[in-house]
Amino acid sequence: QKEVEQDPGPLSVPEGAIVSLNCTYSNSAFQYFMWYRQYSRKGPELLMYTYSSGNKEDGRFTAQVDKSSKYISLFIRDSQPSDSATYLCAMSARASGGSYIPTFGRGTSLIVHP
Amino acid sequence: DSGVTQTPKHLITATGQRVTLRCSPRSGDLSVYWYQQSLDQGLQFLIQYYNGEERAKGNILERFSAQQFPDLHSELNLSSLELGDSALYFCASSVQYTGELFFGEGSRLTVL
Repeated sequence: QKEVEQDPGPLSVPEGAIVSLNCTYSNSAFQYFMWYRQYSRKGPELLMYTYSSGNKEDGRFTAQVDKSSKYISLFIRDSQPSDSATYLCAMSARASGGSYIPTFGRGTSLIVHP
Repeated sequence: DSGVTQTPKHLITATGQRVTLRCSPRSGDLSVYWYQQSLDQGLQFLIQYYNGEERAKGNILERFSAQQFPDLHSELNLSSLELGDSALYFCASSVQYTGELFFGEGSRLTVL
């Protein structure tokens, strides 16, 4: 079993839809939770960063963490064609050297069609 | 633009060869991470440096090595290259320890 599971999709939605992206994880040591967006042939871009269970909102994006269920979500409201990209969840635990090392999901490909 | 610079953007080489990938972190970031991204494995952590010292090691092959220099730029050296080493190699930097990473555009390595 992988530490972080993420459905690769693709997920295809019409413009304006609410998108829900999810990841599950198995490592209870994960403390920080992140979502990255990666456009084709580009580097991942940090979208959301959370520490505790609960919701965090930033514009059209809401990140949700449920540590008891080991489940995280990213919601995108009023989705736009420009949101078409691969969304990677990531979570980090403290390594022996003191740093937190993100472990990434495989990414979900999102397509928003006009 | 994340502020992380990686060179070269593309590299084509032959099996058995050695290449060096270079990364300049964002201004003020002391920590550099290297990741490998392939279609079948996703983003895999290789190694992390903080202010010149190795802090964490992931699934990095013995044929690969890295270092961070006093000016904080980092280099990833890949030797005795195999076809399976073809991938995107990303450098990321961070000001904190907590994994909030800022990625460069990557170096695409093709081994023929």
